[in-house]
Amino acid sequence: KNEVEQSPQNLTAQEGEFITINCSYSVGISALHWLQQHPGGGIVSLFMLSSGKKKHGRLIATINIQEKHSSLHITASHPRDSAVYICAVRSFGNEKLTFGTGTRLTIIP
Amino acid sequence: NAGVMQNPRHLVRRRGQEARLRCSPVKGHSHVYWYRQLPEEGLKFMVYLQKENIIDESGMPKERFSAEFPKEGPSILRIQQVVRGDSAAYFCASSPVPGQGFSGANVLTFGAGSRLTVL
Repeated sequence: KNEVEQSPQNLTAQEGEFITINCSYSVGISALHWLQQHPGGGIVSLFMLSSGKKKHGRLIATINIQEKHSSLHITASHPRDSAVYICAVRSFGNEKLTFGTGTRLTIIP
Repeated sequence: NAGVMQNPRHLVRRRGQEARLRCSPVKGHSHVYWYRQLPEEGLKFMVYLQKENIIDESGMPKERFSAEFPKEGPSILRIQQVVRGDSAAYFCASSPVPGQGFSGANVLTFGAGSRLTVL
């Protein structure tokens, strides 16, 4: 079992739909990152969370430390949101990130 | 220096040659991380460096791979005697401070990646 599990692996939705991507992890962490990777492109850090909830534009990230679970939500989804969304966790006492395998999101106009 | 600069963006090498990938962190960032993304796989940590020091290289293959972050100049990931299995995207990221606590300044900035193809 991977330390970081994401679901779903693939998600296709119509423009305007509310999107939820889930991330579960099995280790104690000091922080969790949500990253966005466009096809053939670089990686953008969307959020870093240690507790609660963060919002940036149409993106919302939440984390429940007790349940070892985080969600990334996209409101009013748009085709430009199509990308791979990656959850990554940082364990206590070290700096390396452990990554989920990503969720490939496709938003259809 | 608005972000992490990686070069080359694309590199083609024949088996047995050497590959050198460079990463210039965000100005003011003293911590550099290298990650590898194999085709159709997720990202994997390779190495974490501070200026002139390797802090954690637990993700680096034991042979042929080395990394440095000199006092002056970019961080370099060096792969000697490349093999086809080294073909991947190599991403560099930088941060201003170690991952201590939950400071909003603890931001990780990624470069655009260097895509290595070994023929």
